[in-house]
Amino acid sequence: DQQVKQNSPSLSVQEGRISILNCDYTNSMFDYFLWYKKYPAEGPTFLISISSIKDKNEDGRFTVFLNKSAKHLSLHIVPSQPGDSAVYFCAASALGGGSQGNLIFGKGTKLSVKP
Amino acid sequence: DTGVSQNPRHKITKRGQNVTFRCDPISEHNRLYWYRQTLGQGPEFLTYFQNEAQLEKSRLLSDRFSAERPKGSFSTLEIQRTEQGDSAMYLCASSLNPYEQYFGPGTRLTVT
Repeated sequence: DQQVKQNSPSLSVQEGRISILNCDYTNSMFDYFLWYKKYPAEGPTFLISISSIKDKNEDGRFTVFLNKSAKHLSLHIVPSQPGDSAVYFCAASALGGGSQGNLIFGKGTKLSVKP
Repeated sequence: DTGVSQNPRHKITKRGQNVTFRCDPISEHNRLYWYRQTLGQGPEFLTYFQNEAQLEKSRLLSDRFSAERPKGSFSTLEIQRTEQGDSAMYLCASSLNPYEQYFGPGTRLTVT
């Protein structure tokens, strides 16, 4: 039973446009959410995170939105660049529930940004 | 390079053999995590250390798997009597707090 779901295996976007990656979760104990980017043959790289007490967090071209009632979060990348082409993983943690920070990951969405 | 390092990067072994992987975390990080990633899946949590203490283990960590972090610095993950289902990327991550974990490049294990 997947607790973190990324229902789009892939996404293709034109350079300069907005990329929107979506993530849904089922566990209401999750209170901290992260996005990681992964290039082939490398480990995941931390991008941006959000606590459940917020509904938006922004860092440069990256913004994460959290809708707790819908158990949904999204990552917006604007403007998209060819170097953003990678697999993006959504991850969640239940820190308030006594978790030591172990992350539950989705299956990832492969983003391709075309020049 | 002050990031998380893992060795070896690749390991090919025959079924039934034992393998050991090493992770060197970022030096000031007291938290260390092991994850496993198979094709088409996200990383799955295996175990967590705070300093030298192993505080959490996933049910994925069968009795053939053992992890250590003897001096609270580097960590090793050993798999005994490997099976083909153990073929995966084994990822190590470290952090100072429970919020953001920094991952190493991983060790890709192939069991033939």
